[in-house]
Amino acid sequence: GAGVSQTPSNKVTEKGKYVELRCDPISGHTALYWYRQSLGQGPEFLIYFQGTGAADDSGLPNDRFFAVRPEGSVSTLKIQRTERGDSAVYLCASSRQGGDTQYFGPGTRLTVL
Amino acid sequence: GQQLNQSPQSMFIQEGEDVSMNCTSSSIFNTWLWYKQDPGEGPVLLIALYKAGELTSNGRLTAQFGITRKDSFLNISASIPSDVGIYFCAGHPMEYGNKLVFGAGTILRVKS
Repeated sequence: GAGVSQTPSNKVTEKGKYVELRCDPISGHTALYWYRQSLGQGPEFLIYFQGTGAADDSGLPNDRFFAVRPEGSVSTLKIQRTERGDSAVYLCASSRQGGDTQYFGPGTRLTVL
Repeated sequence: GQQLNQSPQSMFIQEGEDVSMNCTSSSIFNTWLWYKQDPGEGPVLLIALYKAGELTSNGRLTAQFGITRKDSFLNISASIPSDVGIYFCAGHPMEYGNKLVFGAGTILRVKS
């Protein structure tokens, strides 16, 4: 079956702009995760959804970052007033249930100029 | 927060050689996972370990979950050019079972 998909694959924006990144998980996976990967580093956890609710948002760096999953499937990561330090690859993963093996999408490379 | 110390940071090896990399933590992990990431792609799961002491193989790859639950290693036997990439260890910390904590990665380069 299809894996995790993410759109767009690349996003270039200007400092101060608003961006939305989309994740389409594997069908039937109830758990969805967002990670951020800076150059030369491993992915860092941002937020975890179980169904429609954010079960753990402890990794969100500040209140400019917000994510939703209104129907328990597709999720959108929203970043307000982007800063150059937000430039990174944003990875989405899904698993059958929370704590199960996570399968990653190809990521969205965000560049803030 | 939890940190995973992964080593080595990078390595050049001769094709056909065996490779070993490891990961350690100061805290206990419930699971250990090894992922490989190619440029422009997301991490792909290679091996998952769920019990202390567990030794698991996947083709030329072998990984072990340390008995103390604070470390893991990955071995690649008879390396080939397509083994090039970045290898990440990751784990579920005991206190936070759902999120994954990743190491900084081991860059593997193969001399053909």
